Amino acid sequence: QVQLVQSGAEVKKPGASVKISCKASGYTFTTYYLHWMRQAPGQSLEWVGWINPANGGTKYSQKFQGRVTTTRDTSASTAYMELTSLRSEDTAVYYCARGPVTGAFDIWGQGTMVTVSS
Amino acid sequence: DIVMTQSPDSLAVSLGERATINCKSSQSVLCSSNNKNYLAWYQQKPGQPPKLLIYWASIRESGVPDRFSGSGSGTDFTLTISSLQAEDVALYYCQQYYCARPGYTFGQGTKLEI
Repeated sequence: QVQLVQSGAEVKKPGASVKISCKASGYTFTTYYLHWMRQAPGQSLEWVGWINPANGGTKYSQKFQGRVTTTRDTSASTAYMELTSLRSEDTAVYYCARGPVTGAFDIWGQGTMVTVSS
Repeated sequence: DIVMTQSPDSLAVSLGERATINCKSSQSVLCSSNNKNYLAWYQQKPGQPPKLLIYWASIRESGVPDRFSGSGSGTDFTLTISSLQAEDVALYYCQQYYCARPGYTFGQGTKLEI
């Protein structure tokens, strides 16, 4: 079946970086954009950015510009999101989700909890 | 950025009764190029990722029960659950997605309880 499986929980110190993976299966990896969202504890969802797996093109929310990088490995059907200069406010569950640039997100990963704490 | 505001923040409805959740956008999400409303609804249960229920404001995702329906256009939208079931207890989010202006923003969520 179509699914996105993310890497496990991370605990990081302020100022560190985190890299999360999102492995796609059940469909052709290059035919759908992958978006990244985050959800801080008790909060709503916030869009971080997307990657086009077909050509590696990316777009990021202005809020994260300069701190986030999304990449992909087409041979492994896996996308990655790296967030640098972590601060406590980055503590959240990070999700990848499949969707077109102009469309809703129909398949979501299970989420990766990132905790930033000294 | 387009701001999405949901009402109410929480809602308690009896089993079998109708539940209505509203979503208002700060700017129209109706795209003039194709006359579609760039609006989706998601359901999120504790410890789970969001699940897509409705897209283009009124199109039910495959596998979603027909008691869920979406309506509205421009800046005002509604998610209706016609006959509440116990498994519908969840958080519900509206989301606008990219038409002419980059950005994907979610409402603050509505908590639905029995």
